[in-house]
Amino acid sequence: EVQLVESGGGLVQPGGSLRLSCEASGFIFSDYSMSWVRQAPGKGLEWVANIRQNGGETYYVDSVKGRFTISRDNAKRSLFLQMNSLRAEDTAVYYCARGARRFEFWGQGTLVTVSS
Amino acid sequence: QSVLTQPPSASAAPGQKVTISCSGSSPNIGSNYVMWYQQLPGTAPRLLIYDDNGRPSGIPDRFSGSKSGTSATLGITGLQTGDEADYYCGTWDSSRNAVVFGGGTKLTVL
Repeated sequence: EVQLVESGGGLVQPGGSLRLSCEASGFIFSDYSMSWVRQAPGKGLEWVANIRQNGGETYYVDSVKGRFTISRDNAKRSLFLQMNSLRAEDTAVYYCARGARRFEFWGQGTLVTVSS
Repeated sequence: QSVLTQPPSASAAPGQKVTISCSGSSPNIGSNYVMWYQQLPGTAPRLLIYDDNGRPSGIPDRFSGSKSGTSATLGITGLQTGDEADYYCGTWDSSRNAVVFGGGTKLTVL
């Protein structure tokens, strides 16, 4: 059974940093591209970033370029999102998803709240 | 303002059929496959339709997808109260080098 479990969310002040993690199981992690997708409270889905199987190619939504970094550790079957210079508008549930363009499986999400 | 345009709401009676539209442009729907996701209240989204009209394992054939030009459509037949959810279309946008979503459609089964 495919499982994706996110962690690392919480309350952070504007300008602060947070690192999200996603632990994968039930499939060969290194065979798949991975993505982060977020959802602000009461709003729709917004794709954040994706990363290819070997980590050599990454893409980001314009609003996070230069502030967020997606990475992965295939040996640990883990996906990461380093978030710096956080803003109030980054407040959202962040989902880890399998795939680069087609999100076949999703985690349960982790809530990030940016507020003073 | 979402890159893909969906109606904010849709409704139909149990047992009836509903369609949800998703309108885009050449760099996104016109050039790439469309996915549809279902998000039940309080849960994570799940893939409903992939590559315009494919159904993942476990998705009933009451759900269907189609695409023509720069628009896509999700169809649901034999509506059930359990189908009440938010539905999102999504695709790759080749000019933005980004995945783009529609704003979502809230389906009510009356």
